[in-house]
Amino acid sequence: EDQVTQSPEALRLQEGESSSLNCSYTVSGLRGLFWYRQDPGKGPEFLFTLYSAGEEKEKERLKATLTKKESFLHITAPKPEDSATYLCAVVFDIGTYKYIFGTGTRLKVLA
Amino acid sequence: AAGVIQSPRHLIKEKRETATLKCYPIPRHDTVYWYQQGPGQDPQFLISFYEKMQSDKGSIPDRFSAQQFSDYHSELNMSSLELGDSALYFCASRQHGTASYEQYFGPGTRLTVT
Repeated sequence: EDQVTQSPEALRLQEGESSSLNCSYTVSGLRGLFWYRQDPGKGPEFLFTLYSAGEEKEKERLKATLTKKESFLHITAPKPEDSATYLCAVVFDIGTYKYIFGTGTRLKVLA
Repeated sequence: AAGVIQSPRHLIKEKRETATLKCYPIPRHDTVYWYQQGPGQDPQFLISFYEKMQSDKGSIPDRFSAQQFSDYHSELNMSSLELGDSALYFCASRQHGTASYEQYFGPGTRLTVT
């Protein structure tokens, strides 16, 4: 069965303390992996798309990387406003492009 | 830039009532996806439409139905509501045929069933 697993489930960091979030998948025929940020009660906000192993994308303090089995979202020198749930989703069905979501990582950055 | 619009943003219904959620995709986006997100859970795919035709179906109860209209907006109709239907319902849109697969999400409708 195709699965997407995120770890850790929750992460508390001090402001400025860099870390990485993991998204591992067992889908066959990955067509794309997507990172989103979700604030409580709001819709997921698109961050990055990764299509092939070795690909990297950066935006401000965030950097996403992809291997054949997993993706990492690296957060460098985080700030309290980076606190949110980070979701990854994968697409393997190019007929409908529907997402399979991971369970998310709840990030809390303390000032 | 225009985003996905969902209405209403909040909805309170009683058990066994019906509800209709609406989604207006980003202009020129022809594909709509519906997701249900329970408290502390990841979004679960319900159903999708492309060019007014159902393109895929996920874990959508038989009590729910949906359609996409000629202007590409979509409606999710929910009948015989149950307490367990209380959740955030998201709609997402994308443009079919483009090189990118990312979906853009609306702000969601929070449905509370009492």
